[in-house]
Amino acid sequence: DAKTTQPPSMDCAEGRAANLPCNHSTISGNEYVYWYRQIHSQGPQYIIHGLKNNETNEMASLIITEDRKSSTLILPHATLRDTAVYYCIVRVEDGGSQGNLIFGKGTKLSVKP
Amino acid sequence: NAGVMQNPRHLVRRRGQEARLRCSPMKGHSHVYWYRQLPEEGLKFMVYLQKENIIDESGMPKERFSAEFPKEGPSILRIQQVVRGDSAAYFCASSPGIVQETQYFGPGTRLLVL
Repeated sequence: DAKTTQPPSMDCAEGRAANLPCNHSTISGNEYVYWYRQIHSQGPQYIIHGLKNNETNEMASLIITEDRKSSTLILPHATLRDTAVYYCIVRVEDGGSQGNLIFGKGTKLSVKP
Repeated sequence: NAGVMQNPRHLVRRRGQEARLRCSPMKGHSHVYWYRQLPEEGLKFMVYLQKENIIDESGMPKERFSAEFPKEGPSILRIQQVVRGDSAAYFCASSPGIVQETQYFGPGTRLLVL
């Protein structure tokens, strides 16, 4: 089972920031928070990941609470093309045998004009 | 740098036939993962391979399914004697391995079993 909890759906107005929450209250000290998204019928797309510091790249920002029990993915200026299912995943990154990602149901983000 | 490539993108098979799905990882990536997505469901891990080695096949059905990642060439997911329940999208991901483990996904192969 997925170790994260996300709202099943969210709406966002085009041009506004989309803030997608994720709860991961049982996260371990060596587990990273990863975000992927899946646009309809396409392969999952990597967005961003982090351990405990906030992270930002050209796609999004990731804000992780100090206790690491939750995080928020921020798309600063959502466009219609950002409509997708967004997955929050916690995963150990140690180069060992735990290779797989465990996908939950994610949040279906609908960006509306 | 080309991304993960999968072929064919669509595959139609009749019950009892064999399906072979191919995955070419990103250049420089030595780890390959296969996932299956049934209609209206999330992605489920199947198998994790490094060159010539299966590292984790805990998500692979015990019968009819096999995977390989030879020293040369793409990774192959093979499904023997397909049944209608095998109809799904099969995604491959690759990662560099060792230090940086972010997985990058291919476009998937959509298998339809008639």
